[in-house]
Amino acid sequence: ELKVEQNPLFLSMQEGKNYTIYCNYSTTSDRLYWYRQDPGKSLESLFVLLSNGAVKQEGRLMASLDTKARLSTLHITAAVHDLSATYFCAVDSGGSNYKLTFGKGTLLTVNP
Amino acid sequence: DARVTQTPRHKVTEMGQEVTMRCQPILGHNTVFWYRQTMMQGLELLAYFRNRAPLDDSGMPKDRFSAEMPDATLATLKIQPSEPRDSAVYFCASSFFPSSYEQYFGPGTRLTVT
Repeated sequence: ELKVEQNPLFLSMQEGKNYTIYCNYSTTSDRLYWYRQDPGKSLESLFVLLSNGAVKQEGRLMASLDTKARLSTLHITAAVHDLSATYFCAVDSGGSNYKLTFGKGTLLTVNP
Repeated sequence: DARVTQTPRHKVTEMGQEVTMRCQPILGHNTVFWYRQTMMQGLELLAYFRNRAPLDDSGMPKDRFSAEMPDATLATLKIQPSEPRDSAVYFCASSFFPSSYEQYFGPGTRLTVT
């Protein structure tokens, strides 16, 4: 059974600080996804990482993938309040059968 | 602005009643997913279709849940009979395989079974 573990599950940080969310998974899949969810809303795709060493950046968020370590990181630079949300990583089952298994999510709160 | 749509957005029903949720995938997308989100279990894949054919429904309770795609623009998820433990937010997502792995999520249907 594919397992996806995120940590931390709760993260409270101050504006302007940097932090990293970690996502470990148990399969050899090399496709990793990051989503954002605001309270009561749907999931918004942030990044799709498709190979070992992939790095993608959008604004203050940067995601990377190490398939050998089965680890992805989501790095937050100089956090701002608008980044407060729940962040999910997900891994698919590989091949053409790409159903996603999600982590439990990291609830990020950025305080002024 | 292409997006996945879902109806209804909210549904309150009594235990034992039939519930049908509908999803319109993004036009041209050939893969449709149904997910369920609860506080306890998080996000779980229930079923998914490619080119209207079911590929996997292993996450779905077979005795009461059924999923279909009557045509390329409509996916349905039905619960009969509904139970309080079915209370959750049900999301539909679509993608265009193999050009893109990205899944686009709909706004969800919040189901409450009393």
